[in-house]
Amino acid sequence: KAGVTQTPRYLIKTRGQQVTLSCSPISGHRSVSWYQQTPGQGLQFLFEYFSETQRNKGNFPGRFSGRQFSNSRSEMNVSTLELGDSALYLCASSLAGGVGELFFGEGSRLTVL
Amino acid sequence: DQQVKQNSPSLSVQEGRISILNCDYTNSMFDYFLWYKKYPAEGPTFLISISSIKDKNEDGRFTVFLNKSAKHLSLHIVPSQPGDSAVYFCAASPFGDEKLTFGTGTRLTIIP
Repeated sequence: KAGVTQTPRYLIKTRGQQVTLSCSPISGHRSVSWYQQTPGQGLQFLFEYFSETQRNKGNFPGRFSGRQFSNSRSEMNVSTLELGDSALYLCASSLAGGVGELFFGEGSRLTVL
Repeated sequence: DQQVKQNSPSLSVQEGRISILNCDYTNSMFDYFLWYKKYPAEGPTFLISISSIKDKNEDGRFTVFLNKSAKHLSLHIVPSQPGDSAVYFCAASPFGDEKLTFGTGTRLTIIP
């Protein structure tokens, strides 16, 4: 059974640009969550989607957005990139969200110059 | 405001001995707790969880203890093995919530 797949794995952008990251969940999983990992901050929750609906959102500015498609694949977008957006962005999927185990992808490492 | 705290950024333990990783939380709404393990260049993988109705949960070499009155949980690994060297994250959520709040992680190094 294929795991959670994130693309691209690495990318470099400059300040002011925008970026789109993609996540394909485990087959059959309908919930997709996104987390940002930075040194010293641990993993911080961005948002969670279930059946194309955003059910929960973390404390991030509106520059961070996401969506989920009918096949449960998800994308997140960051507009007007800032240096502080440099981080590892992790996607996780689960069968239905809520209490339970999350399966994480390997992450997309974004560097903003 | 860090609602889940892992105050030890790193820990070194001799192979075969017990590793104890600690986690404190401040939000009394949290009632489900998980531990994740992360190797470099990989995503976190689920290790073990515990709900607030229990004070202990075991899975092989891994045991999680929950002290609700102290808002403290710990992960015990015994015996520790070299493959246990990784970063361990504690996470918590209110029941039924899709959002996990993670600690900043503890890097465990097992010395052969």
